[in-house]
Amino acid sequence: SQQGEEDPQALSIQEGENATMNCSYKTSINNLQWYRQNSGRGLVHLILIRSNEREKHSGRLRVTLDTSKKSSSLLITASRAADTASYFCATDTNQAGTALIFGKGTTLSVSS
Amino acid sequence: KAGVTQTPRYLIKTRGQQVTLSCSPISGHRSVSWYQQTPGQGLQFLFEYFSETQRNKGNFPGRFSGRQFSNSRSEMNVSTLELGDSALYLCASSLVTGGSEQFFGPGTRLTVL
Repeated sequence: SQQGEEDPQALSIQEGENATMNCSYKTSINNLQWYRQNSGRGLVHLILIRSNEREKHSGRLRVTLDTSKKSSSLLITASRAADTASYFCATDTNQAGTALIFGKGTTLSVSS
Repeated sequence: KAGVTQTPRYLIKTRGQQVTLSCSPISGHRSVSWYQQTPGQGLQFLFEYFSETQRNKGNFPGRFSGRQFSNSRSEMNVSTLELGDSALYLCASSLVTGGSEQFFGPGTRLTVL
């Protein structure tokens, strides 16, 4: 089963609004990463937050991590049409024989 | 610095055939990972190579195999193709092995008829 589960599965907003996506996971992690994928293309790394960090910022992105609840959120402020994409969380677990485990993603649609 | 490249970008095969996909990582990156992406299963980890050694392997049948060369370029092979192997195959490279930041290529879209 998936380690990370994003919520919601789909999100539609207007330009200028904020978008919040959530990710829950099941096992302990070393770090959690967020990636963006434009339709049918490769993924782009957005941000990495380590298990001992609680919040991280990068431009219009803000990521929080709550290890006690095994959850993370990605906030995109002042959304633009160009932010339309699928967003995935990926966890680096302590399990031997595995690498990054991705969730199924949130599809964000930003309309102008 | 050039990004991760994958060839070919699109491929159409028939059931029973085999296919080889190629990935060239970012210069200096020694880790290469492969993922399969389908609408139903999402992104699933296939395997990871570091310095020509397979470090991790996902839960895929033995028909899926890979290798890495001394210049860090990697290939993956799928034998006896099935309809369910139709997917976007993504390659990612990173400086070190494990769960560090990954740089993805554009993917190879494989269609099995």
